[in-house]
Amino acid sequence: GAVVSQHPSWVICKSGTSVKIECRSLDFQATTMFWYRQFPKQSLMLMATSNEGSKATYEQGVEKDKFLINHASLTLSTLTVTSAHPEDSSFYICSGAGTSGGRGDTQYFGPGTRLTVL
Amino acid sequence: EDQVTQSPEALRLQEGESSSLNCSYTVSGLRGLFWYRQDPGKGPEFLFTLYSAGEEKEKERLKATLTKKESFLHITAPKPEDSATYLCAVRYSSNTGKLIFGQGTTLQVKP
Repeated sequence: GAVVSQHPSWVICKSGTSVKIECRSLDFQATTMFWYRQFPKQSLMLMATSNEGSKATYEQGVEKDKFLINHASLTLSTLTVTSAHPEDSSFYICSGAGTSGGRGDTQYFGPGTRLTVL
Repeated sequence: EDQVTQSPEALRLQEGESSSLNCSYTVSGLRGLFWYRQDPGKGPEFLFTLYSAGEEKEKERLKATLTKKESFLHITAPKPEDSATYLCAVRYSSNTGKLIFGQGTTLQVKP
């Protein structure tokens, strides 16, 4: 139980374009979803926290106009990287925490999305 | 300042050679310590949650323990498939559920 999927698993785009990444909780309702980015050989860096139906809360230094997060339902959150640039290339990982299926306070992670901006 | 420190950064073991990974934390009011396993190019996989000093959890060759200042992940008779990066994270806010992650310990088990 407590499975999270992400789509796509990898994406290559041109500089200046926008990319949308989907995160779905498959067998539980994720009342809270988190978005992280991870650079090579580094740990996870939290970008934002979102609750279903509410605006996301961004961590300090994360541009909310560049990284648009939507948490429209208890099983789906999306991250849109707008006007992507090469420095946005990274491994993006989402997680969900909920009260049905998984433990309420445990974050279950998706498999990640590798973004490469040319 | 809330902080999580893992040691060692990297660990090489021979198959069958038991060892321990350390996670030290300084947070005001622990609300949960989490262990995850991460394979290259994949998202973290949940292993254990510990809530109070003295608590222990076991799963196959792994055993996690918790004191007031640190947690240990003991690996007994490891196999090559145990090779991965092990991440420790601490929950420091009951309102948002945010986690502070350590830098991880990369374990390599040689046959």
